[in-house]
Parts: sequence; C-alpha cells; structure tokens
Amino acid sequence: GDQVKQSPSALSLQEGTNSALRCNFSIATTTVQWFLQNPRGSLMNLFYLVPGTKENGRLKSTFNSKESYSTLHIRDAQLEDSGTYFCAAEARNNNNRIFFGDGTQLVVKP
Amino acid sequence: EAAVTQSPRSKVAVTGGKVTLSCHQTNNHDYMYWYRQDTGHGLRLIHYSYVADSTEKGDIPDGYKASRPSQENFSLILELASLSQTAVYFCASSDRGNSGNTLYFGEGSRLIVV
Repeated sequence: GDQVKQSPSALSLQEGTNSALRCNFSIATTTVQWFLQNPRGSLMNLFYLVPGTKENGRLKSTFNSKESYSTLHIRDAQLEDSGTYFCAAEARNNNNRIFFGDGTQLVVKP
Repeated sequence: EAAVTQSPRSKVAVTGGKVTLSCHQTNNHDYMYWYRQDTGHGLRLIHYSYVADSTEKGDIPDGYKASRPSQENFSLILELASLSQTAVYFCASSDRGNSGNTLYFGEGSRLIVV
C-alpha cells in the first residue's frame, strides 16, 4: 500500500549469505511487525517492534520511528528462509490501524 | 498455544451467490480482523471488531459484511459474490494488551468466484 513501501520487491540469495530487507513508512508509526509467508501461504509473525532492535537467531530487526523505516537482516540464509516477507505498520493517528507493505519475495538457492 | 482457525479453507462460489467465511479464535483476544490478499500483494483490511456484537469498517469494506456473535467467532459475509472477490482471505486476532497489537493469523481461506 501507499503507507508502507517495501524494498526490494524480490531477492535471490545464495545459501549462507546475508541480506537486508527494508520498509519505509509515510505515516506516523508506533509499532512494526514483520511476517514470513511460507510457500504454503501461512503467515508467521517474526517480530513485533517498538522503536529499537530485536534479534532472534539469524534474524535481526530494527525500527527507527524518527526516520520512519524498519529493516530486517537475515544472516547465513538457509533454504527454509524462502518465502515472502511482509512488514506491517501500526498507525499512530488512524485508530491504531495496521497497514501492510506489498512484500519482499525471497528465494534462497543452494 | 494461540490458535485462529478458518473455514472453509477453500471454496468455489458462483457469481451472485452468498459466501460465508468463518473464523474462530481460542486466544481470548478482543480484536479480530478480516484481511484480503491478492496475488503478489500485501494484506488489506476489510472489517474488524473489538467487541462482540460490534463490527467496524476497514479500508475495503464494499461488498462485504461482518458478524461478531461472540468473542471467539468472527464471520465475513459476501451477500452477492463477484469475480473481483476472488482472493485469499485471512482472519487474525490481537489483544492490544500484554502482547501489544501482535497479529495472529489463521491459515487463510482461498475463494474462487466463477
């Protein structure tokens, strides 16, 4: 959507390499969530963030509310990391409505 | 573990027919949502509810109705299904409390209107 812009739209990684996904927000954002949609279509919540950084295994995410962006870093990419990554922004001024980006389609190759 | 279950998981409907998608959550969450996902895009909010017997319009409510008869159940109703409503529909819940506004999604319902 217009409120949340994700980049890149698609990405191909070699197994074992690192990369970063980014979301830019055009709305005042209080919290950010990152999801992974697997090839079967299921959505899994990866992170729920207030401004700051969280880490979970090979994944690390940062939310910078002053500069209106969030990043998701993937370290040592594995085949099972393949899927579509979505970020979602909770709007400060719109009844806490949550807006989704259009996703980054990630393929990890052996 | 928190659980959101949707039914049916897949449906083929005839144009002009009525479709009801059901969602049940065992999370004890106050908030429930219906999102639509079109191929290659993110999720867009159709309707949501923060208490039983009350529903609110989301960003794309036209052509859809919602019903929240209890805290656990939230239905999406297409009174007159149209070709443009072919999509995958996701239900979610959140409590806006201790876990913030974390969304927990069901597995999705794939609707094809012919």
